[in-house]
Order: sequence, then structure tokens, then C-alpha cells
Amino acid sequence: DSGVTQTPKHLITATGQRVTLRCSPRSGDLSVYWYQQSLDQGLQFLIQYYNGEERAKGNILERFSAQQFPDLHSELNLSSLELGDSALYFCASSVYGTNYGYTFGSGTRLTVV
Amino acid sequence: DAKTTQPNSMESNEEEPVHLPCNHSTISGTDYIHWYRQLPSQGPEYVIHGLTSNVNNRMASLAIAEDRKSSTLILHRATLRDAAVYYCILHFGNEKLTFGTGTRLTIIP
Repeated sequence: DSGVTQTPKHLITATGQRVTLRCSPRSGDLSVYWYQQSLDQGLQFLIQYYNGEERAKGNILERFSAQQFPDLHSELNLSSLELGDSALYFCASSVYGTNYGYTFGSGTRLTVV
Repeated sequence: DAKTTQPNSMESNEEEPVHLPCNHSTISGTDYIHWYRQLPSQGPEYVIHGLTSNVNNRMASLAIAEDRKSSTLILHRATLRDAAVYYCILHFGNEKLTFGTGTRLTIIP
């Protein structure tokens, strides 16, 4: 157990639907990062939050959104799902402002059918 | 983001040392060199990081060239559980980690 909890572990849904992925960061970590990993794209950075505020955005589609709540957990919302959104979605957390390692969760495997 | 170059794949025999190279000729003075690995069906896992001096921890050693334009991750005694994709990443502060394609390490029993 890395200390970063992601739920659900697996999700199967139909095209056009909306899903929410949840991430609880490691205790004490204020920063949360979301990544997408598909077979042909590798690990792609989506978005970063620090203490509830958005800090950086990567290649995140407009159909996707995220937020970080006062208790520091984060949710990634994916809407109008397409087949190409099928991927592993990872969350990572870190202590802000340091050069220590980031801790990743075990991911949510999303399958869009 | 400064770029790193790694071999696509490497093989090593079980219980032998493994040296995974990484070139980063455009590294800036404030960039730390981080290594992560990703085992099959798992999230990336932090391995080690360093700035200028060589570093050791329970998982591995990191050897950094004097000019910092290259580094080597050393697994002292590879086991089957070390089979993974290893990523060398330049990183500073609270920035996002940018993953390349990494080196797929295969351990031969």
C-alpha cells in the first residue's frame, strides 16, 4: 500500500456516459497529480492541484475536469466518454515544494464500450 | 521540459548487477535526476533521486556523472521482481513529472 488510494479499481461504462474517479492522497501531502496511461501514449500528465487550487494543466480534454476538496481528496470527472478514453488513470501525491519522490496510487482502469 | 534518453530495453540475468543508463545533456543546474519504475499493472514507484553526488538507498544506487549530463541507475542484485519499465526524469520543485518511454528491463532466470 503506497498510501495513495484510488477508487474504483476498475470501471466499465458505455460511450457517452460520465464517470468520477477518486483519489485520496498520502497523509500530509498537499499536491495531487492526475495521469492517464493508454497503450499507445505512455504516461500523460493531466492536471495538478495544490491545497484545493489548480496549479498546472497538461493535455486534459475539455470533457475532463477535476477538483481537490478541503479534506485534500481529489476527483477526476470524465464526461461524454469515447472509446479512446479507455486507459489507466493514476493519481500521485507529493509534499509541495520539495524534491522528494512522488507517491502513486494503483490506478483506476477505465474501459469504455 | 529537459529531455532524457534511455535505451528502449535491456536484459539482465537474475542475481547479477544491472546498470541502467540515462543521458540528459540539456540538464539545468536546478534539475534533480529522478528514477521511477513501473511494474506490470501497477502505478509508478519512486526509486531514487539525486542532484550532484552519488546516492544509495535500500532499492538502488544512483551514479551521476561529474558534468551531470548522464547518470546510471544501479540495481546491485537483480531479482525477477525488478522486471519493470524504468524511467529517468529531470525534475525541479513542485513541477509535474514528465515521463518518457523508459527502459523495459527483463530479468532472465
